[in-house]
Amino acid sequence: GENVEQHPSTLSVQEGDSAVIKCTYSDSASNYFPWYKQELGKRPQLIIDIRSNVGEKKDQRIAVTLNKTAKHFSLHITETQPEDSAVYFCAAGSPGYKLSFGAGTTVTVRA
Amino acid sequence: DTGVSQDPRHKITKRGQNVTFRCDPISEHNRLYWYRQTLGQGPEFLTYFQNEAQLEKSRLLSDRFSAERPKGSFSTLEIQRTEQGDSAMYLCASSLLQGQETQYFGPGTRLLVL
Repeated sequence: GENVEQHPSTLSVQEGDSAVIKCTYSDSASNYFPWYKQELGKRPQLIIDIRSNVGEKKDQRIAVTLNKTAKHFSLHITETQPEDSAVYFCAAGSPGYKLSFGAGTTVTVRA
Repeated sequence: DTGVSQDPRHKITKRGQNVTFRCDPISEHNRLYWYRQTLGQGPEFLTYFQNEAQLEKSRLLSDRFSAERPKGSFSTLEIQRTEQGDSAMYLCASSLLQGQETQYFGPGTRLLVL
């Protein structure tokens, strides 16, 4: 089955700086890679996703890159703000099927 | 609220008791997923449905766990003879079969087995 590893497990950044979270996956059949943000006590919410036919996708301050050959993908958050503080999960799978999640990265943005 | 809803939000039970959780997906979503999340970990897949058909069940899911989606709308997850290791957050998600792969999550049911 799919195995997703996520690093780092915790990340502390100064407000305004960038944050980068990296994930690797094992199953070359995976072609859908969403990122979820989970605030304390709340449900996971999709913030951005990418499919394997695209190498990069951007949405305002958030971008995701995918390297299919190396089986890794990354989340980039620029100009971080206090409201970006949360746990971020990467996942891998196929659209409409089960997702395999990483263990999460706790991001803390220092004011 | 048109999002995924789950009931109850919290459940405390004694070891050996049976518990049942309910998930109401977003209307017109025909795929429904159950995940389990323990502290400090990402959601772990348990099972999923397309309409009323259960398409896949994780090998990690013991025989004490059963899920149903009898009319292709809401779903129930039952745990029989609960164990302390079953303590976790049980998350439900739903998605459209085609055209939109996003899985929308519910708020979860937090289970504590004493």
